[in-house]
Amino acid sequence: AQSVTQLDSQVPVFEEAPVELRCNYSSSVSVYLFWYVQYPNQGLQLLLKYLSGSTLVESINGFEAEFNKSQTSFHLRKPSVHISDTAEYFCAVSGPSGGSNYKLTFGKGTLLTVNP
Amino acid sequence: GAGVSQSPRYKVAKRGQDVALRCDPISGHVSLFWYQQALGQGPEFLTYFQNEAQLDKSGLPSDRFFAERPEGSVSTLKIQRTQQEDSAVYLCASSLAGRGFHVSPLHFGNGTRLTVT
Repeated sequence: AQSVTQLDSQVPVFEEAPVELRCNYSSSVSVYLFWYVQYPNQGLQLLLKYLSGSTLVESINGFEAEFNKSQTSFHLRKPSVHISDTAEYFCAVSGPSGGSNYKLTFGKGTLLTVNP
Repeated sequence: GAGVSQSPRYKVAKRGQDVALRCDPISGHVSLFWYQQALGQGPEFLTYFQNEAQLDKSGLPSDRFFAERPEGSVSTLKIQRTQQEDSAVYLCASSLAGRGFHVSPLHFGNGTRLTVT
């Protein structure tokens, strides 16, 4: 079975400060990793994903995440946040190709609040 | 439509009532999923359809929960004899892919918030 742990339920930061949202997973097999974002009153949107290859993946709005197999982590970072980044962020994992790879297992989410 | 549409947006039910939640996926999307998100938790998988076939219903919490997608487009999640523990946001998602979901992204609706009193 797979599980995802998001270590911080809330992260308040000031605008233009760096931020790191932590995510650890457990799985007995190789996995695909995802970060989803949920802005207020909106549905979940895919922010970025790791499938294979380069362990550093980036989103179009300046977020990046690094897959660390030895530490089973997939932390999300941004060097300088904006007010508009205020949202809830969910880390998720799915199994490898074949089997039930259609199922996403989510963490409990981290509420990022960016203050002026 | 432009995105996944869910209705109603909010639903209040008295304990014991039956409810039906509707999901309109993006046109042409083969795969459809239902997730349940309790307060303060991440979404949890309920069931998965590929076209009209329900390929996985292992996440449905009890036999009071039933989902269908008879024509391979619109889906309905029905909950019979609602209980307080059923209170949650129910999310629907669709994907163009019939497999290889890690490549084809999931598109989520805004969810239906069900409150059972």
